[in-house]
This record gives sequence, C-alpha cells and structure tokens, in this order.
Amino acid sequence: GQQLNQSPQSMFIQEGEDVSMNCTSSSIFNTWLWYKQDPGEGPVLLIALYKAGELTSNGRLTAQFGITRKDSFLNISASIPSDVGIYFCAGQSTAGGGADGLTFGKGTHLIIQP
Amino acid sequence: EAQVTQNPRYLITVTGKKLTVTCSQNMNHEYMSWYRQDPGLGLRQIYYSMNVEVTDKGDVPEGYKVSRKEKRNFPLILESPSPNQTSLYFCASRRKFETEAFFGQGTRLTVV
Repeated sequence: GQQLNQSPQSMFIQEGEDVSMNCTSSSIFNTWLWYKQDPGEGPVLLIALYKAGELTSNGRLTAQFGITRKDSFLNISASIPSDVGIYFCAGQSTAGGGADGLTFGKGTHLIIQP
Repeated sequence: EAQVTQNPRYLITVTGKKLTVTCSQNMNHEYMSWYRQDPGLGLRQIYYSMNVEVTDKGDVPEGYKVSRKEKRNFPLILESPSPNQTSLYFCASRRKFETEAFFGQGTRLTVV
C-alpha cells in the first residue's frame, strides 16, 4: 500500500510551547486529514484539508495541504496539558489504501512536561 | 448520540480459542473498517466493507475474518488467535462520499 512518513515520532515539550509535525508521501493525495487519539480512546478528526495550498485553523491548531499534494503539516500553538496524545495524519486518494483510499501515518506522540 | 461501539473493550484469551469482537454504528454509514494499532506501526487496516455483503482485505488481513450481514454491524472474527495478534483494535465507519471516519473506543486484545 501507499506509505506516509510522519515526523517526529515523539515530542517532549514544555507547556506553552508551539508544536509542529508533518507528513510526507511519494504519492499524491486528494485529501489530508489530521486525527488526535487521547489515551484510551479512538482517534477523532481534528482538521480536514481538501485543496492544495489550503490552510485551515481549528482553535490553536493550524494545518496546511502542501502545494505538491504530497505533504501536510499540523501546528499547535501555546500547548496545554490536554494536547497530550497521539496525532495521526491520513491521506486519502482515489486509489490504494483500502475502500476509502485512506492511508495513516505512524503517529506523533506528544508529551507535555510540567 | 452518534457513535461507533465496540465490545469488549478488553479481552485476554488463549491461543487457538475463537473469538469475535463486535462493532456497531448508529449513523447509517456505508463504509466500515477494522484497524489494528501497534507501537511504532500506527494504524493498519485489516478489512473493510463498502456496504452490506461487500467486504475486502486491507493491508494485514491474515488470521482475521469479517462479515457484513447488516449495515450497522461489522464483527471481527479471529478463528484461531495467536500471540502476534495481541494488539489494540479499532472499528471505524463513515459515509460513502464523506471523508470523516468515526472510530470506536478500541478493543485491547491479549493472546497468551
């Protein structure tokens, strides 16, 4: 199947710091999605991006759909303790990755130190 | 409340003892999927279904079966579980022409 490279694998930051993570692929995607998984829960959609170059915000979160359609990034500003969790990117295309062409990155584990 | 419900949440079983993890959604979604989540490997799709009686293999289908007899239910069956199937399993569903997938709370399976 298609591969997504998500980095970093984990981040140890202080409360109040900004966070940046990204996903890259060798394939083109039509949609980029960012999910967050709280400890003990299933992933929940944070932001969906549908057009190359699109920049979308959701509160302190900002995500962009790369111009080449092969990458996306997620920024979190002024992190707070409830931001702890695993963040997944997912790319959606019309081919590959299953029925809905959805391919997940391996996740970025965000840990906030007091 | 719109949701995807998995049962059980936790299960410890022995090698070779058949088990079923149930998944039910109340949103009338056409698409349903099963994923397993392992440290360092992220979410990997096991099986998916585009509608009733339509199922197909994902990236890691070996050792698993599924069925889709009703639109709302998509059980995952392990006929003869092995220790390498110890994992965290998620069921997900979504509408046919929408992008957002809704996930269940997960089932943590341990096979000893």
